[in-house]
Amino acid sequence: GQQVMQIPQYQHVQEGEDFTTYCNSSTTLSNIQWYKQRPGGHPVFLIQLVKSGEVKKQKRLTFQFGEAKKNSSLHITATQTTDVGTYFCAGDGGATNKLIFGTGTLLAVQP
Amino acid sequence: DGGITQSPKYLFRKEGQNVTLSCEQNLNHDAMYWYRQDPGQGLRLIYYSQIVNDFQKGDIAEGYSVSREKKESFPLTVTSAQKNPTAFYLCASSSGQPGQQYFGPGTRLTVT
Repeated sequence: GQQVMQIPQYQHVQEGEDFTTYCNSSTTLSNIQWYKQRPGGHPVFLIQLVKSGEVKKQKRLTFQFGEAKKNSSLHITATQTTDVGTYFCAGDGGATNKLIFGTGTLLAVQP
Repeated sequence: DGGITQSPKYLFRKEGQNVTLSCEQNLNHDAMYWYRQDPGQGLRLIYYSQIVNDFQKGDIAEGYSVSREKKESFPLTVTSAQKNPTAFYLCASSSGQPGQQYFGPGTRLTVT
């Protein structure tokens, strides 16, 4: 079945350092979404990418969708302690009305 | 104030008992979903429903059951057949296709 993998599983950075998480799908996606889950909380939607090669920015966050629409990345510039949490990508294969969530990347930021 | 609610936040049950988790939304969304999350793990889809009176199994439906009698409500029953029910259960809804999913605060179920 369709699988969505993320790397790394865990990243620990010093405040101010950059951070990137990568998402790879076993199949072509019609779109990809990114979510953030704070410790003890629930996932919150960040963004959706639809077009091949699309790049979107939200302040210090940059999201990319690969040309083949099988991979994506989230880059955070100059991390802050408020960035702590688990970042999930979620792919929509298009055939069904459901998302396949990636395995997530837990980001820890040391002040 | 629109949103999706789950109750209770924490739930404790003895092994062998069925338990029903509540999920209600007032966002007028057609689609609703149940996920299970284990410590340090991603989200695994249990069941989803795209419309009232219809639902489909997700990747880990064994030992679970659902109903969708009303658009606003999508309760999940964890049956005694579920071998390892202790987990964090998240309900979500979306307007479809699937669009952005809105998650409830979750229910932490502990079965001893």
